[in-house]
Amino acid sequence: NAGVTQTPKFRVLKTGQSMTLLCAQDMNHEYMYWYRQDPGMGLRLIHYSVGEGTTAKGEVPDGYNVSRLKKQNFLLGLESAAPSQTSVYFCASTRTETYGYTFGSGTRLTVV
Amino acid sequence: AQSVTQPDIHITVSEGASLELRCNYSYGATPYLFWYVQSPGQGLQLLLKYFSGDTLVQGIKGFEAEFKRSQSSFNLRKPSVHWSDAAEYFCAVGAGNTGKLIFGQGTTLQVKP
Repeated sequence: NAGVTQTPKFRVLKTGQSMTLLCAQDMNHEYMYWYRQDPGMGLRLIHYSVGEGTTAKGEVPDGYNVSRLKKQNFLLGLESAAPSQTSVYFCASTRTETYGYTFGSGTRLTVV
Repeated sequence: AQSVTQPDIHITVSEGASLELRCNYSYGATPYLFWYVQSPGQGLQLLLKYFSGDTLVQGIKGFEAEFKRSQSSFNLRKPSVHWSDAAEYFCAVGAGNTGKLIFGQGTTLQVKP
């Protein structure tokens, strides 16, 4: 089915380890986003991209890096994982600012 | 700065009863407003949106919302709730040309049989 695919779905990391979360969309959307969801805090924007080769910081970018080398992919990296990064991570994409997001199914990350 | 407030963290309604979920936003210009629903363990699904025109908008699953500029509100309504509507609901506001959205804290809906 067309949409947004996130890999992996679950991951446990040790403090200090690194990892990359992959988001892939097949809808030719220009805009892509990474959010984290924590209980009682809604979704908070980490980084976003308004087109291939562009990235920008969101509300909570510290400890994360991103890349958008291809239009369909948006990668989120954790260089040195910390327990505070335990969260559910959602990727989303959209065609325009008024179109509405299509979300992936999320990645549940636990840092121990 | 933009912000979104969903005053109710949890709401419980009986099946067949009407529903209204509240959303208040803070933004200087006309915002883009969205409601999303999240079932347990799932991603978020778009219910409806407003960015211009008729202030009463219809969405999927029988939901509607009304934009009231004077009250800075975008409340979500449904005339008769079904057990399958139990989920978490998020209001979001956006502006500008980056597509960034600010989400509220969410309201968890429980439906009693």
